[in-house]
Amino acid sequence: QVHLQESGPGLVKPSETVSLTCAVSGGSVSDDDYYWSWIRQRPGKGLEWIGYIYHRGHTHYEASLQSRVTMLMDTSKNQFSLKLSSVTAADTAVYYCARDPLSGLLPGMDVWGQGTTVTVSS
Amino acid sequence: DIVMTQSPLSLPVTHGEPASISCRSSQSLLYNNGHNYLDWYLQKPGQSPQLLIYLGSIRASGVPDRFSGSGSGTDFTLKISRVEAEDVGIYYCMQALEIPRTFGQGTKVEI
Repeated sequence: QVHLQESGPGLVKPSETVSLTCAVSGGSVSDDDYYWSWIRQRPGKGLEWIGYIYHRGHTHYEASLQSRVTMLMDTSKNQFSLKLSSVTAADTAVYYCARDPLSGLLPGMDVWGQGTTVTVSS
Repeated sequence: DIVMTQSPLSLPVTHGEPASISCRSSQSLLYNNGHNYLDWYLQKPGQSPQLLIYLGSIRASGVPDRFSGSGSGTDFTLKISRVEAEDVGIYYCMQALEIPRTFGQGTKVEI
């Protein structure tokens, strides 16, 4: 059974870069069948898709965040990461990683991490 | 981007009674393979979202059969035949047709 575990610094100062990692167990980030996505949820708000990375190096970011987002993958550690630069209080959120099927005939985002909270404050 | 609109945003329910949530998309989610690329997720209090329904009407593994999804094109419905206490939480629809993925605002279901 695939399991995702996010990790991150918790508290970040405004204008800094936050780095989050999603460790994958029970499966492989090199699986041809899946994108690996980041979704966030601001306090009291809904779900916001940030972007995905695919093991062949392909990424796609939400347009409003594109200038500040970088996603990377480390196949040797079986994990992927999200870097968000120039953070502001508006980036305070719970950040989830999830797997998203490449094939439209597989179940949707069927595996999610437990989420990691990022608070932007000086 | 495809805009997803849910209604209602808040849904008081009674244990054992049916419940229904609507989701509309700004463009058709019906692909040329005949499938509608619409997922439903439930976020229970304090938990991560979990997949309930994909391709508009297929229950994910382990999802009770009291949950059903229907609809096509731009109009979709999630139905709970008899609400249980464990069904409380926020329900989201999400279009899986295009990138970026987009979610509805969420429907809070309370008993």
